[in-house]
Amino acid sequence: NAGVTQTPKFRVLKTGQSMTLLCAQDMNHEYMYWYRQDPGMGLRLIHYSVGEGTTAKGEVPDGYNVSRLKKQNFLLGLESAAPSQTSVYFCASSQGRSQSRYEQYFGPGTRLTVT
Amino acid sequence: GENVEQHPSTLSVQEGDSAVIKCTYSDSASNYFPWYKQELGKRPQLIIDIRSNVGEKKDQRIAVTLNKTAKHFSLHITETQPEDSAVYFCAAKTSSSNTGKLIFGQGTTLQVKP
Repeated sequence: NAGVTQTPKFRVLKTGQSMTLLCAQDMNHEYMYWYRQDPGMGLRLIHYSVGEGTTAKGEVPDGYNVSRLKKQNFLLGLESAAPSQTSVYFCASSQGRSQSRYEQYFGPGTRLTVT
Repeated sequence: GENVEQHPSTLSVQEGDSAVIKCTYSDSASNYFPWYKQELGKRPQLIIDIRSNVGEKKDQRIAVTLNKTAKHFSLHITETQPEDSAVYFCAAKTSSSNTGKLIFGQGTTLQVKP
């Protein structure tokens, strides 16, 4: 049982390049989330999903897109990277409403630098 | 909008002393309040949580208290040890639908001096 995994662990992009971050969970969780973490700003929600095929915007969605084609995977895309997107990105999942369990389990993070 | 304020931003204590971190939230309908510990370079990990129908919860050296009237909750760590040194985040589950969304505080860097 690997829990929540993320790939890649590190990435350096040039301004304007695109990339996709992959999050996978093997806990059969309904809900999944993408956060970014910047110094002194805590964890800010980018996008989230309450089930396969559904996504919604979080607190800071601009410049990002997401897809949840399979229940176990949640992809975060950057279409045209900007230096302001330099951050550590965390994926998380939780069981969801059906279980009334809201504990979020985090992946190991992806450190992204945009030059 | 919904907001969680966390204080202090940094906290330094001597080993064996107690540490208290406080958070206030804006959404009076919030009903779930977790605390996460994040060691340097690692992922946030849940250490304790509390639901709005409970005023206090303890787990060995850590405890969380909730005051719904004042809309604040606190983390208490007793008999601190060097391995307690980390960044601690509080969070509140928003009341909006059933998305499970959490609003996080800005974090508290706790340093426990041997």
